[in-house]
Amino acid sequence: AQTVTQSQPEMSVQEAETVTLSCTYDTSESDYYLFWYKQPPSRQMILVIRQEAYKQQNATENRFSVNFQKAAKSFSLKISDSQLGDAAMYFCAYRDLSMEYGNKLVFGAGTILRVKS
Amino acid sequence: EADIYQTPRYLVIGTGKKITLECSQTMGHDKMYWYQQDPGMELHLIHYSYGVNSTEKGDLSSESTVSRIRTEHFPLTLESARPSHTSQYLCASQELGGAINEQFFGPGTRLTVL
Repeated sequence: AQTVTQSQPEMSVQEAETVTLSCTYDTSESDYYLFWYKQPPSRQMILVIRQEAYKQQNATENRFSVNFQKAAKSFSLKISDSQLGDAAMYFCAYRDLSMEYGNKLVFGAGTILRVKS
Repeated sequence: EADIYQTPRYLVIGTGKKITLECSQTMGHDKMYWYQQDPGMELHLIHYSYGVNSTEKGDLSSESTVSRIRTEHFPLTLESARPSHTSQYLCASQELGGAINEQFFGPGTRLTVL
């Protein structure tokens, strides 16, 4: 079964600095999709960035970028110029077309990001 | 923010009560999901639906039931609440089609059963 591992339960970053959140996954599929979701305290979970496995180019969305290493099954999230509003729980998630349960997302356990002013 | 709503946001209820958690979306999405999330933990899928009159169980066993009579509405019901049901319940929706499609999440219902 596919699994997603986030090895950092908590991370801290100084405002305006850069932080990288780690994510590894396990799959035997060659075609799949990876996502980073952000869950601010008491607010809705929102999509931060997504990556298609067949694309070699790393996805970027403004201050957010990923380092996708397919061979290593690694999908880290880099947040540049961190802002107080970036403080949240970040979840890495995986999906492939072979999956049961309506092409469900498989989530990691999450990383709490704290931003210091 | 996404047009997906959940009510109530917080619910404290006694053991044995019947409860219904509401979820509505205005995006016309066919796929809808219910996840259970314990504090600081990952999400686990408990129910999903491909569209009207479609309901399926997820990979986490749950005593709850769901219905999908209208595209926009996907309520979750617990016939007899127990303390073990205490958790956060998140509803999500997604367009049919590619696996790259984003899932949109509601704000969640935090349920406490005494």
